[in-house]
Amino acid sequence: AIRMTQSPSSLSASTGDRVTITCRASQGISSYLAWYQQKPGKAPKLLIYAASTLQSGVPSRFSGSGSGTDFTLTISCLQSEDFATYYCQQYYSYPGFGPGTKVDIK
Amino acid sequence: EVQLVESGGGLVQPGGSLRLSCAASGFTFSSYWMHWVRQAPGKGLVWVSRINSDGSSTSYADSVKGRFTISRDNAKNTLYLQMNSLRAEDTAVYYCAREARLEWLPFYYYYYMDVWGKGTTVTVSS
Repeated sequence: AIRMTQSPSSLSASTGDRVTITCRASQGISSYLAWYQQKPGKAPKLLIYAASTLQSGVPSRFSGSGSGTDFTLTISCLQSEDFATYYCQQYYSYPGFGPGTKVDIK
Repeated sequence: EVQLVESGGGLVQPGGSLRLSCAASGFTFSSYWMHWVRQAPGKGLVWVSRINSDGSSTSYADSVKGRFTISRDNAKNTLYLQMNSLRAEDTAVYYCAREARLEWLPFYYYYYMDVWGKGTTVTVSS
């Protein structure tokens, strides 16, 4: 099974900061990677798919990059509504999620 | 409006059974593969199961294989998860999700989950 890791597991940031989250796959997954945002008590929300394609309606301050085993999610200018937990997910074979990165207020 | 609404969660004793439902609306349900994903309290997301568009092919995580059964009724626009032999570690919020696809080469697709329900809570406890 493909194992996904994320770093950091949590981070504290301020509104306006640039935030980068890293996701690594235990084997190459091409661009079969998506990013989701989840707020407490809510369902996950798709942000990015195919590693770098922004889902319709998602603000352009979110971006994704990477291919193979290493991927990043970047929030260019953190807004108050962006404080949440972020998960990467591979779908190279069976779907699998990373452990999540919690972004909270500094 | 595209929507998924889960139901059927509740409190069940270890060894018991429960059937979850996910009612779909606002899209052509029979055209999409569907998934169940769960989240234990305070933990991350875990994929549970998937089913293809006509129900003829299913897959399961090792942790639920042989105990859970995914199915669908395309006439009723409803996805199901039959859960048997439940254990304490099955306690979680269960989400249904729609699988979307992006064709990047002929017959090659990127897959992702683009629509999620709000979830239904399953608690396994005596």
